[in-house]
Amino acid sequence: GAVVSQHPSRVICKSGTSVKIECRSLDFQATTMFWYRQFPKQSLMLMATSNEGSKATYEQGVEKDKFLINHASLTLSTLTVTSAHPEDSSFYICSVTQGNSEAFFGQGTRLTVV
Amino acid sequence: GQQLNQSPQSMFIQEGEDVSMNCTSSSIFNTWLWYKQDPGEGPVLLIALYKAGELTSNGRLTAQFGITRKDSFLNISASIPSDVGIYFCAGPSNSGGSNYKLTFGKGTLLTVNP
Repeated sequence: GAVVSQHPSRVICKSGTSVKIECRSLDFQATTMFWYRQFPKQSLMLMATSNEGSKATYEQGVEKDKFLINHASLTLSTLTVTSAHPEDSSFYICSVTQGNSEAFFGQGTRLTVV
Repeated sequence: GQQLNQSPQSMFIQEGEDVSMNCTSSSIFNTWLWYKQDPGEGPVLLIALYKAGELTSNGRLTAQFGITRKDSFLNISASIPSDVGIYFCAGPSNSGGSNYKLTFGKGTLLTVNP
């Protein structure tokens, strides 16, 4: 399956600052990538679909100005959490889809906002 | 939207025992995926199912696509300590006409006592 690399794996930032998370598809050209958020002991919740060369598609209830997504190339999508607050602390995971709906995930990024 | 009901929520077993978990849905899925997530990591694809009635094995893991397309189960035989983790079922959502957005079950937390 596709190999997906996410960076950083952990980040701590101060309230009010912005944090950028990178998701790279290392062996597969991905026109679409997906960003998920996961709270402790909960399932993955889709935040947005990242589309190469066009605007991301956000799920209902996800603030697009808060979570900026850029998909500038077929191998890189970035998620920027702007003006971060403690409630934004979470585990963020990206994925690419290959073949018949099979999703392959990055290692995840643990964001802690203090 | 589509929802997946996964059970049990958690399981505590002894090493060597067999494990079974399942997912059900009120609507039809054309694909069933089973993932395992270790703490602090992204989910890893275990088994993908594409045809109703399909039974697929991956080592000690066996999964079946229910004949009604509304359910699937995952069995783990002769469990070992490294089987510990959270297991998720997932299927592509039909919302928005995209087959690639995944809906996840709430997960089954498996603990294996040596």
